[in-house]
Amino acid sequence: NAGVMQNPRHLVRRRGQEARLRCSPMKGHSHVYWYRQLPEEGLKFMVYLQKENIIDESGMPKERFSAEFPKEGPSILRIQQVVRGDSAAYFCASSQGDRGAEAFFGQGTRLTVV
Amino acid sequence: EDQVTQSPEALRLQEGESSSLNCSYTVSGLRGLFWYRQDPGKGPEFLFTLYSAGEEKEKERLKATLTKKESFLHITAPKPEDSATYLCAAPGSNTGKLIFGQGTTLQVKP
Repeated sequence: NAGVMQNPRHLVRRRGQEARLRCSPMKGHSHVYWYRQLPEEGLKFMVYLQKENIIDESGMPKERFSAEFPKEGPSILRIQQVVRGDSAAYFCASSQGDRGAEAFFGQGTRLTVV
Repeated sequence: EDQVTQSPEALRLQEGESSSLNCSYTVSGLRGLFWYRQDPGKGPEFLFTLYSAGEEKEKERLKATLTKKESFLHITAPKPEDSATYLCAAPGSNTGKLIFGQGTTLQVKP
């Protein structure tokens, strides 16, 4: 049973381009969380999704950022018109969804905006 | 407001020197307290889940305990390979999103 898969592992974008980060949850998991981590800092919550639903997006910037988790396929975190401040490691985690169910993380996507 | 706070921020130990990391939480109706280990450049690795006060779980040199207000991660006779950042997290009382502490960065010197 494969773990949480994120791709790409590294992504370089020029300012103004779009970045698309993908997360395939563990088999049987229907809930996905996205976090952002800057160097030497903690994990900052961005968005919590269930299949076809956004449960909590309180940590996501109102502009340029969006997330989806369709019925089929991976969860996508999309950043439009990237700026240098978007450079960070983006991690996703998946769980079975029950509060108290363990969440398992992928290896992250490291986004660099040049 | 739900909150998870870890201390200390950083901890340096000599190999074999036991110590404890603290995670205090203010979450209504706690439904699990999770511990993770994160190595540089990698995603957090799940270690333990604790569900009720008094519960303890062990894995090699690590033991996690839980009270009604805090959790401890005890490290017995640590080795250099235990060096990492240790994170604790709890599901929020409102939507269930995972709330993380800032982490404790542990360095074990040989």
